[in-house]
Amino acid sequence: ELKVEQNPLFLSMQEGKNYTIYCNYSTTSDRLYWYRQDPGKSLESLFVLLSNGAVKQEGRLMASLDTKARLSTLHITAAVHDLSATYFCAAIQGAQKLVFGQGTRLTINP
Amino acid sequence: KAGVTQTPRYLIKTRGQQVTLSCSPISGHRSVSWYQQTPGQGLQFLFEYFSETQRNKGNFPGRFSGRQFSNSRSEMNVSTLELGDSALYLCASSLAVSSLGSGDTQYFGPGTRLTVL
Repeated sequence: ELKVEQNPLFLSMQEGKNYTIYCNYSTTSDRLYWYRQDPGKSLESLFVLLSNGAVKQEGRLMASLDTKARLSTLHITAAVHDLSATYFCAAIQGAQKLVFGQGTRLTINP
Repeated sequence: KAGVTQTPRYLIKTRGQQVTLSCSPISGHRSVSWYQQTPGQGLQFLFEYFSETQRNKGNFPGRFSGRQFSNSRSEMNVSTLELGDSALYLCASSLAVSSLGSGDTQYFGPGTRLTVL
């Protein structure tokens, strides 16, 4: 059974710093997703990674995928307060079944 | 293009009652998935429908059921509500051209927050 684990689960950082969220998954998955969730809101799609070595960037966020290590990372560069949110990674199992990690609650302090 | 819509947004029920939640996918999307989000269990997959057929089901009791209509709109039903069913129920839609799509993203609706008293 596919399991997805994120770390850290909580992250408090200062504006301007860099940090990385890690996402490990236990079995082969065809694609890996990153979502953002603000308090009381739904999930916003950030990235979908399809193949080994895939890298995608949007603003201060960059996601990468290593299928051999079953590891994806979400790197935050020069963090700003607006990036405070909970970030989820999810791997896919079968037809459209997303298996989510526990989420990383990111707080960026001025 | 309108996003995924869910109704109602908030719902309060008592134990033993049943509830029906509705989801309208993005126009042209044929797959609708349902997820339950709770502080303790996180985000868990309930089921997925494609062309009115349930293709996949999560590990939830039979009290949780769903269906999809010919226009791709979907409903989920929870019977004999329990306190533990209190959660945010999220619906997601995708094109799902094939089961192994090329980057087929699931887009989530705003959710229905269900409180069971």
